[in-house]
Amino acid sequence: EAGVTQFPSHSVIEKGQTVTLRCDPISGHDNLYWYRRVMGKEIKFLLHFVKESKQDESGMPNNRFLAERTGGTYSTLKVQPAELEDSGVYFCASSPRGQTYNEQFFGPGTRLTVL
Amino acid sequence: GQQLNQSPQSMFIQEGEDVSMNCTSSSIFNTWLWYKQDPGEGPVLLIALYKAGELTSNGRLTAQFGTTRKDSFLNISASIPSDVGIYFCAGPLWNKLVFGAGTILRVKS
Repeated sequence: EAGVTQFPSHSVIEKGQTVTLRCDPISGHDNLYWYRRVMGKEIKFLLHFVKESKQDESGMPNNRFLAERTGGTYSTLKVQPAELEDSGVYFCASSPRGQTYNEQFFGPGTRLTVL
Repeated sequence: GQQLNQSPQSMFIQEGEDVSMNCTSSSIFNTWLWYKQDPGEGPVLLIALYKAGELTSNGRLTAQFGTTRKDSFLNISASIPSDVGIYFCAGPLWNKLVFGAGTILRVKS
């Protein structure tokens, strides 16, 4: 069974540009999470989808971040316009219906560098 | 918000040595999780602890859920080169996970 996949693995953009990150969860997983780790810091929760609905977006830093999960399958996280402090590794995780914290499977992450 | 404090921040040890790291919180957690992140990969769950005082092993790894429910410990015995990586503690907060900043482990062979 394929794990959580993320694309791209690395992205280097200039301040002010737009970047879209993609996450494909494990097939059949209703729950999809986005997390971010700024270098040397903790991994921080951004938001949680249940199917196509945003269950909790309390961790989204500001309105420059927009997450979508149309159709309840893959998800995208768009940053527009990107700022220097948005640099970090963005992780996606998924879990089956009804399971939450201890059944989250993480993708390899997208390393975003904003210059 | 809730914060998990992990220590040490990093360790550079000789192959074969034992390793200890810990995680503390100002708040009570009912579950403690330990993850490992290999270079270029996402975090992978190593051990889950569900009960205060619980001691759980997974091969050379042993983790304990502190009796105050505000701390947890992870020990690795007889370290090997593939133990290299970042170890994170985490606790659930409703639907999401709260993580520590990680302990970077380097092993010298």
